[in-house]
Amino acid sequence: KAGVTQTPRYLIKTRGQQVTLSCSPISGHRSVSWYQQTPGQGLQFLFEYFSETQRNKGNFPGRFSGRQFSNSRSEMNVSTLELGDSALYLCASSYFGTGTNTDTQYFGPGTRLTVL
Amino acid sequence: GDSVTQMEGPVTLSEEAFLTINCTYTATGYPSLFWYVQYPGEGLQLLLKATKADDKGSNKGFEATYRKETTSFHLEKGSVQVSDSAVYFCALNFAGGYNKLIFGAGTRLAVHP
Repeated sequence: KAGVTQTPRYLIKTRGQQVTLSCSPISGHRSVSWYQQTPGQGLQFLFEYFSETQRNKGNFPGRFSGRQFSNSRSEMNVSTLELGDSALYLCASSYFGTGTNTDTQYFGPGTRLTVL
Repeated sequence: GDSVTQMEGPVTLSEEAFLTINCTYTATGYPSLFWYVQYPGEGLQLLLKATKADDKGSNKGFEATYRKETTSFHLEKGSVQVSDSAVYFCALNFAGGYNKLIFGAGTRLAVHP
C-alpha cells in the first residue's frame, strides 16, 4: 500500500498570503489528522476529519482551517500568514472501524512552510 | 489534561551502547501508547505501540513496556547503531476517540561510531 502523501513538500510564502496544503491518506483510511511541528512548541494537534466532518480541533486561531473530501483526501488552509506559521505541517491517517489499529496514525513526509 | 513527558536530550551514545529514553504520561482513562521516530528531513515513522497494561511493543530491536502502575512507557534498545540517530517521540492516543495524538517534546539521539 502506498503511504500518506503530502503536497507540496516545500513552500515559501510572504506574510499576509494564504496557503493550501494537501494530504492523501493511505487507501482505506478515513480519518485524517493534521499537526504543526515547530522547534519551540513541538508537535501540536490542529484538527481531525472523518467522513468529511471535523470531529476535533486543537487550540489554533480561526486562520487555520481544513476540509475533507468524499475520497478522504484532505486539505488545510492558512489565511493571512504570519511569520510564526513557519513550520512543518504533518498529516496522518488512520483506519476507522473495528479492530486493534483504529488508534494508530501513520504520517506523511510533511510540508515545510516558510513564511518570509 | 492528558500529557506526555520525555527525558530531555540530546542523548549521545557510542555504537553498541544500551539505550533508555524515559517517557511518563498523565491521562484520564486508558490510552494506547506509541513511540515514533523522526529522521532528519522526514515525517514521523511509527516505531512501536502498546494498547494495554503490561503489553510490550517491539520493533527493530527497540522495546517498550506499558507500565500502568508507574504510568511509564520507556524505550530501550540493547545495542544502538549509528543509523538509530534520530529524534524519538513518545505519544498517547485513545482508541475510539478522535485521533488526537498527544506528544512528548521529543528526545534527540546521536550515536557515534
